[in-house]
Amino acid sequence: AQKVTQAQTEISVVEKEDVTLDCVYETRDTTYYLFWYKQPPSGELVFLIRRNSFDEQNEISGRYSWNFQKSTSSFNFTITASQVVDSAVYFCALSLGLQFNNAGNMLTFGGGTRLMVKP
Amino acid sequence: NAGVTQTPKFQVLKTGQSMTLQCAQDMNHEYMSWYRQDPGMGLRLIHYSVGAGITDQGEVPNGYNVSRSTTEDFPLRLLSAAPSQTSVYFCASSPRRDSNQPQHFGDGTRLSIL
Repeated sequence: AQKVTQAQTEISVVEKEDVTLDCVYETRDTTYYLFWYKQPPSGELVFLIRRNSFDEQNEISGRYSWNFQKSTSSFNFTITASQVVDSAVYFCALSLGLQFNNAGNMLTFGGGTRLMVKP
Repeated sequence: NAGVTQTPKFQVLKTGQSMTLQCAQDMNHEYMSWYRQDPGMGLRLIHYSVGAGITDQGEVPNGYNVSRSTTEDFPLRLLSAAPSQTSVYFCASSPRRDSNQPQHFGDGTRLSIL
């Protein structure tokens, strides 16, 4: 079975600080996909990024960056120069390759990290 | 483009009542699924479907039924509501049988069981 752990339940920062959200995953499969979703106070889930297990390149998108390290089974998310609009709950999630079964497309979520950015 | 539409957005039920949460998508996606969100536990998979006429159980299926008679619709039924089913429910769809495609989520249904 798969497991995703987000050890930080809540983080509070002051605007313009950098912040890193940790994500550690467990799976015995060699093919898998990792995701980050954002849930703002309005409640919807917003897709941020996906990464497959064969691509360990880090990715940067504006103020967002992701560090994928298979050696430590981690997929951490950094927000540079945080803004109040970044305040949300962030979820890390994992899904498996479909070569195993039809459930491979389904997501296993971590418990989420609530980020509060204060002005 | 409406995407994934969930109705109702809010619902209060009494213990023992039944109800159906509706989910519809207009993107012709094969995959549809239901998750529930509880504090500190993230989202957990209830049931999923890989196409019309095909459904299967997820991590927490007890107390819920689903059916998939059309590609567009995937309703979730609570047969006899219990307080433990108080949660926020999300429906999701994805475009094809490919884990590389991100799932599209509806806006959620907040359900309270008294």
